[in-house]
Amino acid sequence: GAGVSQSPSNKVTEKGKDVELRCDPISGHTALYWYRQRLGQGLEFLIYFQGNSAPDKSGLPSDRFSAERTGESVSTLTIQRTQQEDSAVYLCASSSEIYNEQFFGPGTRLTVL
Amino acid sequence: GQQLNQSPQSMFIQEGEDVSMNCTSSSIFNTWLWYKQDPGEGPVLLIALYKAGELTSNGRLTAQFGITRKDSFLNISASIPSDVGIYFCAGVPNTGNQFYFGTGTSLTVIP
Repeated sequence: GAGVSQSPSNKVTEKGKDVELRCDPISGHTALYWYRQRLGQGLEFLIYFQGNSAPDKSGLPSDRFSAERTGESVSTLTIQRTQQEDSAVYLCASSSEIYNEQFFGPGTRLTVL
Repeated sequence: GQQLNQSPQSMFIQEGEDVSMNCTSSSIFNTWLWYKQDPGEGPVLLIALYKAGELTSNGRLTAQFGITRKDSFLNISASIPSDVGIYFCAGVPNTGNQFYFGTGTSLTVIP
């Protein structure tokens, strides 16, 4: 597609439930990033995928968070047993190998009640 | 993760005024990027800088890659109401592919 897309745009869930967030990167982009942005805050790095290399998971805040990516396409971020502190906007970005420029999706706003 | 020191944290200016914001880091970066984020949207790339000392313009926006490679600034000339938003800097080091983001500058333009 023309840009990075994410779904759903909004997700409201109950504490303790699992959620799955999806990211479709720009076609041909080998790198994919997930960030968390709490209200009024900056971007918090979560995880990074580059081609078929092992992902950099150094930003995942707990073992309740995991992410997968199939080849150089779609990625899903899963949060298990959600907590109220997980409420935030989850942003996905992709970049090509050639240019150090990340392009962001519109984000998924997650609200945990 | 590492975050860059971005200032000011917020700005309230009159329409037509010029704006300046900057980012500093203790680490050297190979690339500096500036993004703008509107409410409810993802950040949008404004300017990318690849060389120390580089000065790049995009319309009313001008950004520079500091000679020490540890800082960058963004200027907006003759601000207009649609410049309102949060501006983020980002740096990319020589090794690895992780992007480090600034804490953001919230800009309010008063008509």
